[in-house]
Amino acid sequence: DIQMTQSPSTLPASVGDRVTITCRASQSISTWLAWYQQKPGKAPELLIYKASSLESGVPSRFSGSGSGTEFTLTISSLQPDDFATYYCQQYNIYSTFGQGTKLEIK
Amino acid sequence: QLQLQESGPGLMKPSETLSLTCTVSGGSISSSNYYWGWIRQPPGKVLEWIGSIYYSGSTYHNPSLKSRVTISVDTSKNQFSLKLSSVTAADTAVYYCACNLKPIGAMVFDHWGQGTLVTVSS
Repeated sequence: DIQMTQSPSTLPASVGDRVTITCRASQSISTWLAWYQQKPGKAPELLIYKASSLESGVPSRFSGSGSGTEFTLTISSLQPDDFATYYCQQYNIYSTFGQGTKLEIK
Repeated sequence: QLQLQESGPGLMKPSETLSLTCTVSGGSISSSNYYWGWIRQPPGKVLEWIGSIYYSGSTYHNPSLKSRVTISVDTSKNQFSLKLSSVTAADTAVYYCACNLKPIGAMVFDHWGQGTLVTVSS
């Protein structure tokens, strides 16, 4: 199995901050990586696929980068609606998700 | 606007077979290039991909669940379904159905249902 490790697990931040979440794969997954946002009681929403492709309708303050085993999700200027949990997902060999990063208000 | 809606039992006993259905509206389940899938999330825990099915019927399953999982499509009802056999308390989770409407991969999903909680308890 490919293991996905996100860091940090919790990220306190303020509106307007630039934040970065990291996702590491236990083996190379090329760019077969997606990022999702999930709010309490709701289904996940796709933000990024193929490591850096922005899903239609997602604000441009979200961006993804990386390849191989290390990936990042960056939010350039946090908005109130962005406080949520973020998950990375590899889909190179079957699929596994990271354990999540909870973005909380500082 | 494509919408997905899960339906299922809610509460089950150990060793039973879980059957969930996802009803698709606003689009055809037999449209080409669509993948349809199931993902679950135990309360307070991580998302887990269960399996995916292509419009043609080809299926992909999580190896950790493969022997217990059956995913199928019913084009006449515009539905797809999940069967999970021999459930235990570890299968308690919110189950989501999902799909993708562009060729981004069999296990990446851009449309999701709202999810349905299935609890396994004796």
